[in-house]
Amino acid sequence: GAGVSQSPSNKVTEKGKDVELRCDPISGHTALYWYRQSLGQGLEFLIYFQGNSAPDKSGLPSDRFSAERTGGSVSTLTIQRTQQEDSAVYLCASSSGDISWGYTFGSGTRLTVV
Amino acid sequence: AQSVTQLGSHVSVSEGALVLLRCNYSSSVPPYLFWYVQYPNQGLQLLLKYTSAATLVKGINGFEAEFKKSETSFHLTKPSAHMSDAAEYFCAVSKGQAGTALIFGKGTTLSVSS
Repeated sequence: GAGVSQSPSNKVTEKGKDVELRCDPISGHTALYWYRQSLGQGLEFLIYFQGNSAPDKSGLPSDRFSAERTGGSVSTLTIQRTQQEDSAVYLCASSSGDISWGYTFGSGTRLTVV
Repeated sequence: AQSVTQLGSHVSVSEGALVLLRCNYSSSVPPYLFWYVQYPNQGLQLLLKYTSAATLVKGINGFEAEFKKSETSFHLTKPSAHMSDAAEYFCAVSKGQAGTALIFGKGTTLSVSS
């Protein structure tokens, strides 16, 4: 597609429920990234996929968080047993794989856990 | 490990005044450095980047930044602020060599008054 598409744009869920957030990167981009943006905390790196390589999961905050990327394209970030502190905007970005070009970000999914 | 420190979570300037947003980085490898801007209710967009070419980098909307290795800094400047510059600005450093993720600072909110 023309840009990075994320869905849903907003999600309200009850504490303890599981949620899935979807990211559709720019066509042909081999690298895909997930970040979490909380007020006053900037962008927190979560996970990075590059082609067929093993993902860099070093930023995932707990084992309740997981992500997969199917067919080298669409990615799903799953948060199990959501907690109130998981409330944030979850941003997805993609790139050609050469970091020197920077990223293109999606508009994000605003997650609210009540 | 790579890290970014943005000095000042809020900066206020008058229209027409100099804009200076500070960014210091820590990196064990030659860094790639970026500035992103996020306008209210919009996604992040790339403002400018340093990728080991010229140390003075020019970006969109009249912004520029200078890479100073001796000071481990990459401060963002604009000679004359405009009301439309009001936004949140994020500095980022590459996590490693080319082909890796970016580590972002916590952001600086720029306010411009008339």
